[in-house]
Amino acid sequence: AQSVTQLGSHVSVSEGALVLLRCNYSSSVPPYLFWYVQYPNQGLQLLLKYTTGATLVKGINGFEAEFKKSETSFHLTKPSAHMSDAAEYFCAVSDREDTGNQFYFGTGTSLTVIP
Amino acid sequence: DAGVTQSPTHLIKTRGQQVTLRCSPKSGHDTVSWYQQALGQGPQFIFQYYEEEERQRGNFPDRFSGHQFPNYSSELNVNALLLGDSALYLCASSFLGTSGGEAFFGQGTRLTVV
Repeated sequence: AQSVTQLGSHVSVSEGALVLLRCNYSSSVPPYLFWYVQYPNQGLQLLLKYTTGATLVKGINGFEAEFKKSETSFHLTKPSAHMSDAAEYFCAVSDREDTGNQFYFGTGTSLTVIP
Repeated sequence: DAGVTQSPTHLIKTRGQQVTLRCSPKSGHDTVSWYQQALGQGPQFIFQYYEEEERQRGNFPDRFSGHQFPNYSSELNVNALLLGDSALYLCASSFLGTSGGEAFFGQGTRLTVV
């Protein structure tokens, strides 16, 4: 079974500061890992994903995440926050053996960017 | 490409009523999944349809049912609505056959049960 824990339901950073959103996963099989962003009154947009290969994954809008198997983590970072980054962020895991791509989501982290 | 489209965007229903939500998948996708996102929570998997059959199901009661049509579009039906069914319902489309593939989400239908 898969599950995701996102530490910190709310994170505030100053504009230009480092963004760090934490995600830990539990999976009975090697997982696929995703970060999605949700802006108010909108659906989910994929930021980045890890499937195989390089453990440092780069996504859209300057975000990146590193898969650390030993720590069962997939933390999301961005070197310099922008006002437009304010949104809800969800970490998700899917089963490597599931070709239907069912996702298990964390409870989300709301990012506030302070001018 | 219009991406994933859902209708309606907002809906208000009375407890005990029935509701139908609709989803058109992204062009080229053959699999539709439905998620329920309660306020302040992450999306929870309801079920998934492929080739007009329910392929996987999450931990939701039988009041939640669905359908997929030959053109891959899908409906989510909820009977005997409860106040707790109030949520954002998200449709996601993907292509079956390759695990780790990206799912594209619609903007969702906001259901309010009063």
